[in-house]
Amino acid sequence: AQSVTQPDIHITVSEGASLELRCNYSYGATPYLFWYVQSPGQGLQLLLKYFSGDTLVQGIKGFEAEFKRSQSSFNLRKPSVHWSDAAEYFCAVGPAGGGADGLTFGKGTHLIIQP
Amino acid sequence: DSGVTQTPKHLITATGQRVTLRCSPRSGDLSVYWYQQSLDQGLQFLIQYYNGEERAKGNILERFSAQQFPDLHSELNLSSLELGDSALYFCASSVAGQINEQFFGPGTRLTVL
Repeated sequence: AQSVTQPDIHITVSEGASLELRCNYSYGATPYLFWYVQSPGQGLQLLLKYFSGDTLVQGIKGFEAEFKRSQSSFNLRKPSVHWSDAAEYFCAVGPAGGGADGLTFGKGTHLIIQP
Repeated sequence: DSGVTQTPKHLITATGQRVTLRCSPRSGDLSVYWYQQSLDQGLQFLIQYYNGEERAKGNILERFSAQQFPDLHSELNLSSLELGDSALYFCASSVAGQINEQFFGPGTRLTVL
């Protein structure tokens, strides 16, 4: 069965500093990969997705992620964080190749921004 | 605003009761997904409907059921409620029946007392 691991439950970063959130997945083939963000009391907003092609994908709000097949990773990065980036971040996988199914989510990483 | 609407926003009920959560997908989306978010289990996929038909099933309990109507809105029915069913229930929609970009609604917070 597929699984997603986000090893960092909490991360604290100073405003203006760079950010990297880790995500590792276990899947039988190359999955579709997603990063979502959840602000307090809100639903999930898609930041970016990887289906195929260029392994470095750009998303909204200045985020990017890199798919590394050899490491089964899809880490999220941002060069300079803003206080408004404080939120819960979820990595998710879904079946590639046209399969019907829901997403499998990691447990999330809570991002705290220090002034 | 994702375009996915969910009602009600909050629901408080007692153990043993039955509730219905409602979801309207984005205009043009044919697939609806239901997810449960709880502190201990995290975000878990429950079930997917595509154009009125059940398409995929996840960790959905037998006490729970869903359906999608001809106008594509969906309802999630939770019965014989237990304390452990207290959670945030999200609906998401996507254009196609296969895995794709999913747009999430704001969720319904269910509290079972």
